[in-house]
Amino acid sequence: QSALTQPASVSGSPGQSITFSCTGSNSDVGGYDYVSWYQQHAGKAPKLMIYGVTNRPSGISNRFSASKSGNTASLTISGLQAEDEAAYYCTSYLRTGTLVFGGGTKLTVL
Amino acid sequence: QAQLVESGGGVVQPGGSLRLSCAASGFTFSNYGTHWVRQAPGKGLEWVAFIRYDGSNKYYTDSVKGRFTISRDNSRNTVYLLMNSLGPEDTADYYCAKDGVEKATIADYQYYMDVWGKGTTVTVSS
Repeated sequence: QSALTQPASVSGSPGQSITFSCTGSNSDVGGYDYVSWYQQHAGKAPKLMIYGVTNRPSGISNRFSASKSGNTASLTISGLQAEDEAAYYCTSYLRTGTLVFGGGTKLTVL
Repeated sequence: QAQLVESGGGVVQPGGSLRLSCAASGFTFSNYGTHWVRQAPGKGLEWVAFIRYDGSNKYYTDSVKGRFTISRDNSRNTVYLLMNSLGPEDTADYYCAKDGVEKATIADYQYYMDVWGKGTTVTVSS
């Protein structure tokens, strides 16, 4: 099962907005509203940031937003902060009971 | 506060076996499914397995089917991952994660994980 496609790295300056992409197919990202996003700081466990394409869990800043168009999902961070520097992973439904991760995008805050 | 704690990692020879445990607290464990996710050194996250809240359905990524078995003991608030025929490609940090939907049946799966443990490290090496 192939991973979803994410750019390996992105960078931005404090205060900027930055968008991560996550590309799949009609069978996963494009076919179902089961895309979620996770933040992972170096050496730490992942943290849920977005589920169900656009939903933020309680406690997640509204600087984080997400959407989907066709086979590509997107995560946007507005007002970039130094603490946002981390790897970001998307996931999607693959088939009943299973899911697949993207390769992850490392965010560098300049 | 929901918490998951993994244990059981270690160094094992190729072809060997290991059983990981994931102990839950701070929520009604028996109402939520549990996932295992792994991360090889310097690599990305890989979903490994999922067990429904009542243990009646289990799912695996293709690369571990027939080698790994996920199970749970709701009386002990613990999920297990039994790993057999281990190879170097199984070397990774293994995380357990709580499913985001309470008492999710197949029709209710939302495919996300809202609470994660800190992980346990498995090294397969001779």
